[in-house]
Order: sequence, then structure tokens, then C-alpha cells
Amino acid sequence: DQQVKQNSPSLSVQEGRISILNCDYTNSMFDYFLWYKKYPAEGPTFLISISSIKDKNEDGRFTVFLNKSAKHLSLHIVPSQPGDSAVYFCAASAGRYGGSQGNLIFGKGTKLSVKP
Amino acid sequence: DAGITQSPRHKVTETGTPVTLRCHQTENHRYMYWYRQDPGHGLRLIHYSYGVKDTDKGEVSDGYSVSRSKTEDFLLTLESATSSQTSVYFCAINPTFSGANVLTFGAGSRLTVL
Repeated sequence: DQQVKQNSPSLSVQEGRISILNCDYTNSMFDYFLWYKKYPAEGPTFLISISSIKDKNEDGRFTVFLNKSAKHLSLHIVPSQPGDSAVYFCAASAGRYGGSQGNLIFGKGTKLSVKP
Repeated sequence: DAGITQSPRHKVTETGTPVTLRCHQTENHRYMYWYRQDPGHGLRLIHYSYGVKDTDKGEVSDGYSVSRSKTEDFLLTLESATSSQTSVYFCAINPTFSGANVLTFGAGSRLTVL
């Protein structure tokens, strides 16, 4: 059973427009949510995170929104740039009290293509 | 790459042969992890370690073993490789083990089992 779900395998947007990547989760014990970005032949790199007690976190062009009642989060990229083309993974952490050993649980990823 | 080195970066092997992947860190972190990435599956945890000689299983541990005899090295072994273990393997460290648990990943090891 997938605890973290990314239902869109791919997304294509025009340069300068907004990219919205979505993620759903099932486990109420998750206390942090993270987004990672991955280019081909490289390891995933951390992008942004949000605590479960927040509903928004912003870092430059990247904003993550959390709707805890819907168990849904989204990553907004504004404006989108060709260099943002990558696979984006949503991940969740249960924290020590949720039984985590510091590991993350990942979604399947969404491939974002930003066209010039 | 935040002091994480994976070796080999690429390996092609035959079914039934043993394979060992190495993860080396230079930052003396206690927690280390092995994930595999497959199309349609994202990243899945294989094994993790919380100290020298302290390891435990993750979500997809069948067919894999690990060892950690030194803080800096975490080895992943496929005792008898199968085609289903063709994948990209990522090692990760957890520098803080608190808050968001931001893992730092290595560059990956691509394994092909023929």
C-alpha cells in the first residue's frame, strides 16, 4: 500500500508559467513532507520541506502548500524555467514517535518538462 | 556531493553472481540508508544502519544484505543477483536525524543483471 502517492507521472508546462505538482498521503503520523528534485544520472537533491503544523512554506520560486484535512500537498514553481525540467519526488517523514529511523517514504515521482 | 561516494557507478553482471556496492561517507554520520529506484516505483528503502554493526531491514530487503564495520562505509550485497535487481541504487546519509530528516543522497550505482 502506497503511503505517498503522486498520481501524475508527467507534467509539461511552458517557460514562465506556473508548474503545480501534487502529492497525496495516507499516514497521519507523517510530521514532515519534503520535495526532492532529480536530474538523470544524478542523486536526488533536496528542494523544500514543510512541517505538518504549517500550511505553506516558500523558498524563492518554490512554494509548498499542505492541506492536512485532505492529506494533500502541492509544489508550486513560479515562474517555471527550462532548468526545472527533472523528476520531482514527494517524500514524507514519520519522525521518531511515528517509528521512523530517519528514513523517508517516497512517491513514484512526476517528470516535469518545461518547454522554452 | 556532501561527502558521499558510491562505487562502482556502473556495473553489469550475470544472474547468480554476487555483487557488492559500496557507500563511503566522509562526515561521520551515524545513519545511512540504501534505496533502489525503479521506473513506476520511486525510491524504496532496502536497508538502513544506525551505527557500526547496527542494521535493519527496509521495505524491499529480500535478496539483499548489508554490513557496516566502520562508520564511514555501508556495503550492500546481492548474494546471488537476479534480473529483478536491475536498478539504480542510492546511498543516503541523515546529517541531523531530527525535524524534516533531510537525507543527502549519493550519485547512484546503476546495476544491470543479465
